[in-house]
Amino acid sequence: DAGVIQSPRHEVTEMGQEVTLRCKPISGHDYLFWYRQTMMRGLELLIYFNNNVPIDDSGMPEDRFSAKMPNASFSTLKIQPSEPRDSAVYFCASMFSGYGYTFGSGTRLTVV
Amino acid sequence: SQQGEEDPQALSIQEGENATMNCSYKTSINNLQWYRQNSGRGLVHLILIRSNEREKHSGRLRVTLDTSKKSSSLLITASRAADTASYFCATDASNKLVFGAGTILRVKS
Repeated sequence: DAGVIQSPRHEVTEMGQEVTLRCKPISGHDYLFWYRQTMMRGLELLIYFNNNVPIDDSGMPEDRFSAKMPNASFSTLKIQPSEPRDSAVYFCASMFSGYGYTFGSGTRLTVV
Repeated sequence: SQQGEEDPQALSIQEGENATMNCSYKTSINNLQWYRQNSGRGLVHLILIRSNEREKHSGRLRVTLDTSKKSSSLLITASRAADTASYFCATDASNKLVFGAGTILRVKS
């Protein structure tokens, strides 16, 4: 298994632009999570899905952020419009119930 | 918000020594997990200990859990330079993990 695959690895965009981050979870995992990591705030859970259904999006900072999981093998996190304070590393992770998470390598987002 | 709080924030030891990191949390949990993150990389799952377990081993790793004190410890024995990384505890109360701020471990060769 190739693990959790995220794309792109790096993204540099201008303030106001739309950014889409992508994630392919491990086949058979029934949970998918989006985290954001910054030096100031550490690892923050943004949203998670169970069997493709969003369960808890209380960590999504504001309406500029949205996430979808149209099927068991794909999820997106979209920021529109992006702002400099969104600069962070965004991680996707998947899990099979009751076991540890498998994280992707992350997307380093820089908004200038 | 972070539930787990690691202690110490940073630890520097010589290769071959043991490293102990502690984690405290606030609410009831289903399990507690430890992860490692190398600089610029994703997190790697190390070990999971369930709320009804008190101790667990995996290779050079030993994890303890004291639910009465709401605390856990991670012991790395016979450390190696390759163990240099950040270590995070994470608590699972409802199938979502809440991470602490992490301990930065540096193993000098």
